[in-house]
Amino acid sequence: DVVLTQTPPTSSATIGQSVSISCRSSQSLLDSDGNTYLYWYLQRPSQSPQLLIYLVSKLGSGVPNRFSGSGSGTDFTLKISGVEAEDLGVYYCVQGTHDPYTFGAGTKLELK
Amino acid sequence: EVQLQQSGPELRRPGSSVKLSCKASGYSITDYLMHWVKHRPEHGLEWIGWIDPEDGETKYAQKFQSKATLTADTSSNTAYMQLSSLTSEDTATYFCARDEGYRRFAYWGQGTLVTVSS
Repeated sequence: DVVLTQTPPTSSATIGQSVSISCRSSQSLLDSDGNTYLYWYLQRPSQSPQLLIYLVSKLGSGVPNRFSGSGSGTDFTLKISGVEAEDLGVYYCVQGTHDPYTFGAGTKLELK
Repeated sequence: EVQLQQSGPELRRPGSSVKLSCKASGYSITDYLMHWVKHRPEHGLEWIGWIDPEDGETKYAQKFQSKATLTADTSSNTAYMQLSSLTSEDTATYFCARDEGYRRFAYWGQGTLVTVSS
């Protein structure tokens, strides 16, 4: 199975600070159809995960534009430009290119 | 508004089975694949599989092939997951999540906590 390695495992930020989370894949996530099926989800405490980013850089419905995704092949980044209190929780990268879908271990975003 | 309402928490003995439900509203379940995901805080998230409610086609992650059975009832707009031969390793919160094209999990249920204990 594809292994997704997220760093850092924990990030502490102040409100307004910009934060980046890295996700590195053990295999290229470029599919034969030309798409790269890399996603980012946020799971707030005691809530279900929420889709933030799909296909590396496309914003999910209703997701604020302070979230952005970038990368290609095996290296991907989620950036939050100006953390807000509601952004606290665990961020997961997920790949859907290779069977089975796999998740990174998560990055916990905390308030400093 | 799309909503996925999952059944309540379950307590089961080791060796038994459990069937979880995920009732969809705001759309017809035959229009999209339904995925199931396992969450254990110390192990993160794992994809179990998906079902196409339109024709019953299923796909499972290999490790859940003999553990989970996905079904759907189009008359009640509900997807189900049965977990068999339960062990403590199956203690987790299970989510259903609707596909939305591009293999993304766009909508999630609130999760069902399954506890396996003697």
